[in-house]
Amino acid sequence: SQQGEEDPQALSIQEGENATMNCSYKTSINNLQWYRQNSGRGLVHLILIRSNEREKHSGRLRVTLDTSKKSSSLLITASRAADTASYFCATAGYYGNNRLAFGKGNQVVVIP
Amino acid sequence: KAGVTQTPRYLIKTRGQQVTLSCSPISGHRSVSWYQQTPGQGLQFLFEYFSETQRNKGNFPGRFSGRQFSNSRSEMNVSTLELGDSALYLCASSLAVAGDGDTQYFGPGTRLTVL
Repeated sequence: SQQGEEDPQALSIQEGENATMNCSYKTSINNLQWYRQNSGRGLVHLILIRSNEREKHSGRLRVTLDTSKKSSSLLITASRAADTASYFCATAGYYGNNRLAFGKGNQVVVIP
Repeated sequence: KAGVTQTPRYLIKTRGQQVTLSCSPISGHRSVSWYQQTPGQGLQFLFEYFSETQRNKGNFPGRFSGRQFSNSRSEMNVSTLELGDSALYLCASSLAVAGDGDTQYFGPGTRLTVL
C-alpha cells in the first residue's frame, strides 16, 4: 500500500530561514498532497501536486515531485513563527485505490 | 461557507462502551472520509463515504463502522471500546471521491479517551 514517509522527523529553525522536508512513497500515485496540523487540531491542506507535475508553488511553499525516485519535498521559504506545526504528506492512488495514505509527519519548530 | 464540523469535540468513555461521532461536511461536498490519529500509528484511514455508499475501507476491525445520510452528514460508530481506541478522530470532506485530486477539508476532530 502507499505510505508517505517524511524525513526528517523533527526540524528546528530560526525565523527567516528556509525549512525543507522530504517524503518518500512506495507505489505509483495519482497525486501527492501536503497538509499542516497545528497542536493536534484538524489538518489544513497546503498544496497538491499531480503525478505528471514536477514542481508547484503556492506563496512561500514550493513542492517538488520526482516520480522516478518516488519522493517529494516541501520547501517553506522565509519561515515564520506561525509556521510551527506538523507537516504531513499524503499520497493518493489511481482508480480503485483512492484513499489518502499519510506519512508520520514532520514536526517543524520556528524559533522567533 | 462553513467548514467541516465535528461533534462532540471531546469524549470520555470506558472500556466496553460504544460511541458515535458525527461529521457535517462543507455544503455541497459529497465525500466524507474518516481518519484515526494516534501518536504511535499516525494518521490511519478508516473509511470513505460518497453519496451514502462506502467507497473505501481501511484495515480496522468490524467494531468500527460508519454511515452517510442523504444530506452527506456522516457518523462513525465504535462498539466495545478498547483502551487502544483512544485517539483523535478526524473527518474530511471533498467534492469528489477522495484521492481523485480534489482537496480534502478536515474538521477539528473529536478527541476520544477510553478509560
